[in-house]
Amino acid sequence: AQSVTQLGSHVSVSEGALVLLRCNYSSSVPPYLFWYVQYPNQGLQLLLKYTTGATLVKGINGFEAEFKKSETSFHLTKPSAHMSDAAEYFCAVFVTGGGNKLTFGTGTQLKVEL
Amino acid sequence: NAGVTQTPKFQVLKTGQSMTLQCAQDMNHNSMYWYRQDPGMGLRLIYYSASEGTTDKGEVPNGYNVSRLNKREFSLRLESAAPSQTSVYFCASSGGAPAGELFFGEGSRLTVL
Repeated sequence: AQSVTQLGSHVSVSEGALVLLRCNYSSSVPPYLFWYVQYPNQGLQLLLKYTTGATLVKGINGFEAEFKKSETSFHLTKPSAHMSDAAEYFCAVFVTGGGNKLTFGTGTQLKVEL
Repeated sequence: NAGVTQTPKFQVLKTGQSMTLQCAQDMNHNSMYWYRQDPGMGLRLIYYSASEGTTDKGEVPNGYNVSRLNKREFSLRLESAAPSQTSVYFCASSGGAPAGELFFGEGSRLTVL
């Protein structure tokens, strides 16, 4: 069965600093990987996804992530944090033949300070 | 375009009471899901429906039942609520391409006293 580990339940950065949120996955077959963002009192929305092809994927609001098969990682980055980036971020993995189920990590709360 | 709509947004129940959470999507998606979100545990799948007429258990199905009423609607029922079911519940839908891309409702916050 597939699984996702997000390192760091809380991350704090200064406005303008690099954002790095870590995600490692476990899967016996090539996975589809996703990052979702949840703003306070809202549902989750898709930030970016990797299915096949280019391993560096770009998403909304300047975020990007790189699929590294050798490291089983899919870390999320943004060069310069903005106050509006404060939210909870979830990494998720989908494996075909796994019953059409998306498995989520436990989430990382990002705080952006002035 | 409403997307995924959940009702109610807030509900307080006493232990042993029953209730149904309603979910409807207007994107003509085949698959629908119910998740619960608890602090430090991420989202856990309760039940899902890959297509109209089918439902399957997820990771934490005990204490819940579901009904896929038609392609648009997928309801979650708590027959006898327990304090452990205090949570935020999210409904989601997926059109299947790419698999795993889900569209979420805004959530239903349930408190069981």
